[in-house]
Amino acid sequence: AQRVTQPEKLLSVFKGAPVELKCNYSYSGSPELFWYVQYSRQRLQLLLRHISRESIKGFTADLNKGETSFHLKKPFAQEEDSAMYYCALIQGAQKLVFGQGTRLTINP
Amino acid sequence: DTEVTQTPKHLVMGMTNKKSLKCEQHMGHRAMYWYKQKAKKPPELMFVYSYEKLSINESVPSRFSPECPNSSLLNLHLHALQPEDSALYLCASSQEGWAGGDSPLHFGNGTRLTVT
Repeated sequence: AQRVTQPEKLLSVFKGAPVELKCNYSYSGSPELFWYVQYSRQRLQLLLRHISRESIKGFTADLNKGETSFHLKKPFAQEEDSAMYYCALIQGAQKLVFGQGTRLTINP
Repeated sequence: DTEVTQTPKHLVMGMTNKKSLKCEQHMGHRAMYWYKQKAKKPPELMFVYSYEKLSINESVPSRFSPECPNSSLLNLHLHALQPEDSALYLCASSQEGWAGGDSPLHFGNGTRLTVT
């Protein structure tokens, strides 16, 4: 079965420290992966997608097919990065399957 | 208008009630989705409408009945719900009839449903 695993439910780092949110997947074929973020009292929104290889708000994520991972990284955390982060993959053409999510807290 | 709008924000209903959730988007998106999110869990797909036709039903109980009157509107009709159906119901849309590539999902704020 296609699955996304986020091993950390909670992650806490200090402001200015590097951040890495882990995501592993199981998928037969070429996966299409995303990171979605939900800030406090805001809607769930797309952060980035692997096909565009972009950096959004200082975050990057590289698809590593050998390790079946799509970890989200930022070199210097900011307080406004505190949020719930979901890794997700597309199953078929229309079904977005989410991992369990990681709640990131940036301490001042 | 670049948002997905859901009404009501909160809904409390009894197990014998009939109610409806509404979702609206005016971005010209061609697919619309219902997701259910229980507390401290990720969203789970319920239904997908693509070009106003039901394309995915994730084996959702018939007490949930989706409707897509036009490409901008999506309803979820609720009848004889159970307390365990209490959750946040999220609507989403995507530009094309699929959810990946250059057509990612745009989510609404959700309707928080409580069944008593």
